[in-house]
Amino acid sequence: DQQVKQNSPSLSVQEGRISILNCDYTNSMFDYFLWYKKYPAEGPTFLISISSIKDKNEDGRFTVFLNKSAKHLSLHIVPSQPGDSAVYFCAASEIGNFNKFYFGSGTKLNVKP
Amino acid sequence: EAGVTQFPSHSVIEKGQTVTLRCDPISGHDNLYWYRRVMGKEIKFLLHFVKESKQDESGMPNNRFLAERTGGTYSTLKVQPAELEDSGVYFCASSPTNTGELFFGEGSRLTVL
Repeated sequence: DQQVKQNSPSLSVQEGRISILNCDYTNSMFDYFLWYKKYPAEGPTFLISISSIKDKNEDGRFTVFLNKSAKHLSLHIVPSQPGDSAVYFCAASEIGNFNKFYFGSGTKLNVKP
Repeated sequence: EAGVTQFPSHSVIEKGQTVTLRCDPISGHDNLYWYRRVMGKEIKFLLHFVKESKQDESGMPNNRFLAERTGGTYSTLKVQPAELEDSGVYFCASSPTNTGELFFGEGSRLTVL
């Protein structure tokens, strides 16, 4: 049973606008969350993370929001750029255990010039 | 500094044959992980090494899969005999400690005909 879900397989956004990628999880023991970005024929690369003691983490154009009560997190990209076009994976791990990450199925973002 | 390297990048074999995938982690990274993405679905955990020891192999699908990490350096993942459902992209990742960030290789795409 999939514990991390990304229900939108794809998203298309105009350059300069905001991209919002969503992720839901079912395991209440998850307390550390990450977003990875993946270009074709490359491995996923770390983008941004958040622990459950926070509800927001910002890094440049990227902000991750965590809503623990709803078991939901989102990644905001503002402003979106064509180079952001990639597949974005949400991942989570349980309390104190970085040994095993649970990934979603990914959302393919297309930023149109 | 070299990143995580995986070989081969693509392997096409027939059902019943054997394939061995290799991963060279980033030098000095004690933690090595194998993940798999099948048919565009989520990236699933297979197993985790700390140096040469298997820390967690709960994600290994069945006994047709054998992972080793002799000497705590590179790792191999052998599939014998391969089945059609083993097709997918096998990612290797490494991390220096339990930092919560994984460094992924480009993946080895396995196609079983």
